[in-house]
Amino acid sequence: GAVVSQHPSRVICKSGTSVKIECRSLDFQATTMFWYRQFPKQSLMLMATSNEGSKATYEQGVEKDKFLINHASLTLSTLTVTSAHPEDSSFYICSACKTGQHTPQHFGDGTRLSIL
Amino acid sequence: SQQGEEDPQALSIQEGENATMNCSYKTSINNLQWYRQNSGRGLVHLILIRSNEREKHSGRLRVTLDTSKKSSSLLITASRAADTASYFCATSLTGANSKLTFGKGITLSVRP
Repeated sequence: GAVVSQHPSRVICKSGTSVKIECRSLDFQATTMFWYRQFPKQSLMLMATSNEGSKATYEQGVEKDKFLINHASLTLSTLTVTSAHPEDSSFYICSACKTGQHTPQHFGDGTRLSIL
Repeated sequence: SQQGEEDPQALSIQEGENATMNCSYKTSINNLQWYRQNSGRGLVHLILIRSNEREKHSGRLRVTLDTSKKSSSLLITASRAADTASYFCATSLTGANSKLTFGKGITLSVRP
């Protein structure tokens, strides 16, 4: 169990386009989901924590208006990169965890975003 | 700065050998987790060790935690070519509500 599906896996689009990425927990309810960004050969950088039914908590330096997060249900969180530019090109990964103090995060397969 | 720092940064071994990876962190933690990432994919959870635990096993994996030294090690025994991947340690800080801070990762190459 604990499968997280992330869609799409790959996006190539023109500068100025807004891109929506979906993250779904398929077989469990996730009150909290996380969005990360990863540059080539680097670690994961937490962008924001997505809480169902409330506003997301963004990490320092992450623009809320640039990276819109919506967590409308216990199984779905979305990240929208608004008016994307080439510097937004990256690998975006979501994760979800079950309720509990010592529960691991379960990751989607990531979305490779390329802005031309 | 990153909470977790792994070493070595890269490790290349022969199939059948053991691989040992280390992780150090700076502040008090709730638990420490190890994840694996194959190229271009998401992360796969390997093992979680709580701050009051010292050692944990899962199949060919053995994780130790030394809270006095703020360090952890991941041992993969009898390595296989399929173990080739990047390995990350991640810490859940006390009171941080499951938020994880990842280290820079270790690239493991297992030669067949």
